[in-house]
Amino acid sequence: QLQLQESGPGLVKPSETLSLTCTVSGGSISSSSYYWGWIRQPPGKGLEWIGSIYYSGSTYYNPSLKSRVTISVDTSKNQFSLKLSSVTAADTAVYYCARHCSSTSCYTYGMDVWGQGTTVTVSS
Amino acid sequence: QSALTQPASVSGSPGQSITISCTGTSSDVGGYNYVSWYQQHPGKAPKLMIYEVSNRPSGVSNRFSGSKSGNTASLTISGLQAEDEADYYCSSYTSSSTLAVFGGGTKLTVL
Repeated sequence: QLQLQESGPGLVKPSETLSLTCTVSGGSISSSSYYWGWIRQPPGKGLEWIGSIYYSGSTYYNPSLKSRVTISVDTSKNQFSLKLSSVTAADTAVYYCARHCSSTSCYTYGMDVWGQGTTVTVSS
Repeated sequence: QSALTQPASVSGSPGQSITISCTGTSSDVGGYNYVSWYQQHPGKAPKLMIYEVSNRPSGVSNRFSGSKSGNTASLTISGLQAEDEADYYCSSYTSSSTLAVFGGGTKLTVL
């Protein structure tokens, strides 16, 4: 059974870079049928798609965050990572990683497997 | 990229049916049949309930159904149960470079 697990610092200082990693277990990140995505949820608010990456390294970003976001993949470790630069208090959120279907061979463009989420607080 | 528009809250009694709307534009909801719906209970990760407007993933109850007309997609839950009380989010594919946009979420209360 495929599982995703987020990891990284729970506290980041303003203006610094937030870095998170998602480890995929029970399956390969190198599947041609899936993107691997990051989604966040500020306290008491809704979901926001941050971006997704294909195993080949192709990336897709939310235009509103694109200038600050970098998503990368390490197929040898079955991991993908998020970097968000110049953070402010508005970036405080629960950050989720998720499997994001890219073809009609799965739940097309649906995100069907999610990590449990990790809380990141931006504060000095 | 603007979020899709959902009502903030809906409510219904056990056994009844409710519908949650999700309004976008011709660039997202209206332009593609790639609308997904997610259920999120407090403190939990979202769960995929509907994909491609009206398809249910394996294991999702057939009490959940989806549809679309123009720029508005809808999620209908029939035979409401207490366990359906949760937040619901719609999402749509928007383009080959922007894969997803979410709605603001709807809180469902089962009275």
